[in-house]
Amino acid sequence: DTAVSQTPKYLVTQMGNDKSIKCEQNLGHDTMYWYKQDSKKFLKIMFSYNNKELIINETVPNRFSPKSPDKAHLNLHINSLELGDSAVYFCASRFYYSNYGYTFGSGTRLTVV
Amino acid sequence: GESVGLHLPTLSVQEGDNSIINCAYSNSASDYFIWYKQESGKGPQFIIDIRSNMDKRQGQRVTVLLNKTVKHLSLQIAATQPGDSAVYFCAEVNTDKLIFGTGTRLQVFP
Repeated sequence: DTAVSQTPKYLVTQMGNDKSIKCEQNLGHDTMYWYKQDSKKFLKIMFSYNNKELIINETVPNRFSPKSPDKAHLNLHINSLELGDSAVYFCASRFYYSNYGYTFGSGTRLTVV
Repeated sequence: GESVGLHLPTLSVQEGDNSIINCAYSNSASDYFIWYKQESGKGPQFIIDIRSNMDKRQGQRVTVLLNKTVKHLSLQIAATQPGDSAVYFCAEVNTDKLIFGTGTRLQVFP
């Protein structure tokens, strides 16, 4: 299936731990995003990569470090997790020169306890 | 700062009725808008889009209206069905990113 795939779907961890979320897309898109959705369902962009280059960094704490090994993958590593990091994280992708066709993954629900 | 959305957290409609979900945007320079549907446990799914040079666009059972004068978008769903129950977001395309509104939960009751 053509899709944006995220792993894991659920992640429960203790404060202070370091964790990673992975995202892969097989749509041939060249631009990928991480969005954070809070408990009130508000979706806010965090990062964007185009062809492995960071193009958007929305004032996210430097405990969050995205990595794009190739244009089909965008991972998110989070150091020293805090309670406020609990949220659903969505990966998305699109073709850079098209406003159309943002495709979202199904999300990773991160719970920090 | 930029913002998209109104505080309309829940809309309850009877099955078969028409639904109207509203959204305001603040960036008058935006030229492209998208409505998304998010079902429980899933990511946002594209419903319909509209460019700023249009006032109206129709899809299957959905219509988006754009009023640039008051910077307002609406999504109309005809003959609302139980499967339409979800959270709906408008989003504004701003350079390289989507800026989402606050979302409206649509509940359909029999």
